[in-house]
Amino acid sequence: DTAVSQTPKYLVTQMGNDKSIKCEQNLGHDTMYWYKQDSKKFLKIMFSYNNKELIINETVPNRFSPKSPDKAHLNLHINSLELGDSAVYFCASSQDGSTGELFFGEGSRLTVL
Amino acid sequence: DAKTTQPNSMESNEEEPVHLPCNHSTISGTDYIHWYRQLPSQGPEYVIHGLTSNVNNRMASLAIAEDRKSSTLILHRATLRDAAVYYCIHGGSQGNLIFGKGTKLSVKP
Repeated sequence: DTAVSQTPKYLVTQMGNDKSIKCEQNLGHDTMYWYKQDSKKFLKIMFSYNNKELIINETVPNRFSPKSPDKAHLNLHINSLELGDSAVYFCASSQDGSTGELFFGEGSRLTVL
Repeated sequence: DAKTTQPNSMESNEEEPVHLPCNHSTISGTDYIHWYRQLPSQGPEYVIHGLTSNVNNRMASLAIAEDRKSSTLILHRATLRDAAVYYCIHGGSQGNLIFGKGTKLSVKP
């Protein structure tokens, strides 16, 4: 059983489309995150949710909207996709948001044409 | 921003110990020091973390300087599967870990 699972693993789409990436964790953790890793391999946090409440929202365009239906799921919806959104998106979770031991998913590679 | 300084790359021979250094001169008194690694085409993987004392686990050891401005991740016997990018991070609040460029470790057979 994968602890943090993301779907889809690969996503190729056209500019202007709307797409979603789903994330589920079966670890019983309270906190979930979305990270973005760009072509230069920098890994940056986008959002953090604790028990379905938004905790961290870094400087991310409002075209990106996280949705947490329950504490085991944190989905990422992206509107009006742009070329610069091409990246690998990683979902993660942690039990204790303060000490920050994170469990990452395998990533979802988004390519915008 | 929490910032760390690591060498861009290091090389090791298989079966030999590896010492990966990290400087974190801006660390605050309550920040933990975390190490993660990222194997090719995978998500980052937790390695170890500590606050003040040296730490050991099945993967590695973490040696923390007395002033906490630097630390060293020690892989006791490198294997080919240890080839990865190793990230040293000192943690902000609520798990907001800021990943830097990391050190790309190559392991030669």
